[in-house]
Amino acid sequence: DAKTTQPPSMDCAEGRAANLPCNHSTISGNEYVYWYRQIHSQGPQYIIHGLKNNETNEMASLIITEDRKSSTLILPHATLRDTAVYYCIVRDLGSSNTGKLIFGQGTTLQVKP
Amino acid sequence: DVKVTQSSRYLVKRTGEKVFLECVQDMDHENMFWYRQDPGLGLRLIYFSYDVKMKEKGDIPEGYSVSREKKERFSLILESASTNQTSMYLCASITGQGGNEQYFGPGTRLTVT
Repeated sequence: DAKTTQPPSMDCAEGRAANLPCNHSTISGNEYVYWYRQIHSQGPQYIIHGLKNNETNEMASLIITEDRKSSTLILPHATLRDTAVYYCIVRDLGSSNTGKLIFGQGTTLQVKP
Repeated sequence: DVKVTQSSRYLVKRTGEKVFLECVQDMDHENMFWYRQDPGLGLRLIYFSYDVKMKEKGDIPEGYSVSREKKERFSLILESASTNQTSMYLCASITGQGGNEQYFGPGTRLTVT
């Protein structure tokens, strides 16, 4: 699985959009981009995933560049409850898929009032 | 509401004790995982299982074993607990049929004294 690079920390004002970047320059054609987050003292929670098209769900939007070497997770209206560590993960959904995830250090997002 | 439950939120054991951490999921998922999480090291995969009685080593299996006698239950065993196994332990599960969302339990914070 390809490696990802994320900034260690970011701040965002409450009510504003939070844009969390991720670099995955060695991503291969079969690999999807996944985002999870971990709120303090809880297990990680799935947010969204995509292959090459932009994706949106009730939690967030995922923008993937055309060359697929980077992506951005967007929380459109951040709240204090969005304060968490956000993990960007690339994952191969091929025939050997076991669902295994390789977590990096993630980005600690602090939403401030 | 889907659920992954872990037997304890907090556990304190003595060096040399045998420790069992239990994880149960109610989603009929084929694949289950045990991770440990330590400050500065992130989440690291200990073992995973893709079927009853099947197991695979993750990145840090030393000092641990696992048991999967029933589909819904995946146990992590510390044969002889040591202080360097003090950590947060997280269990997760995902469907084996190309599932996208890995569901995590709330975690067990184990302290070995």
